[in-house]
Amino acid sequence: QKEVEQNSGPLSVPEGAIASLNCTYSDRGSQSFFWYRQYSGKSPELIMFIYSNGDKEDGRFTAQLNKASQYVSLLIRDSQPSDSATYLCAVTDSGTYKYIFGTGTRLKVLA
Amino acid sequence: NAGVTQTPKFRILKIGQSMTLQCTQDMNHNYMYWYRQDPGMGLKLIYYSVGAGITDKGEVPNGYNVSRSTTEDFPLRLELAAPSQTSVYFCASLGGYEQYFGPGTRLTVT
Repeated sequence: QKEVEQNSGPLSVPEGAIASLNCTYSDRGSQSFFWYRQYSGKSPELIMFIYSNGDKEDGRFTAQLNKASQYVSLLIRDSQPSDSATYLCAVTDSGTYKYIFGTGTRLKVLA
Repeated sequence: NAGVTQTPKFRILKIGQSMTLQCTQDMNHNYMYWYRQDPGMGLKLIYYSVGAGITDKGEVPNGYNVSRSTTEDFPLRLELAAPSQTSVYFCASLGGYEQYFGPGTRLTVT
């Protein structure tokens, strides 16, 4: 059974701080890695995707990938209360267009 | 573009009833997906399709059926509803790397 694991949280950070969200995956053949944000009662929306080892930055968001350790992370700089949501990590099932999602980490940014 | 639309938004079913959840996308995407999300959990793949006429099972297909007669539509059929199928159902289509999700259908089976 291929798995994606995340700490369910909640992760609480003060406004303006850096939030660090982590994800591990079991399928060594996974090629693409995604972070989705989901507000309560809403559908997921894509924030970042990454497919090469290293860092990828987009505004206040940085995704980090380490394929050797099978580890993906998302850093949110200058966290805002509007960042309070559940963050879902997803990876592609190797050789397919199927996606495996983690259970999500709930982030609370305290004003 | 409307993106991905789903109907109905909410539904209550009695045990043993059947229903079809509708999903339509207007982005001409080939890949489409059905997920279910239980409270506090991630998304579980039920079925997916790589194009009209082609469907395949995901992680949790039991109790569901799908069809894909057109590029735009990907309905999900529940036969003999059971309480374990109480969940929020999301349909998605794939454009490039990004999955575009519909607003979801909240289904309760009692």
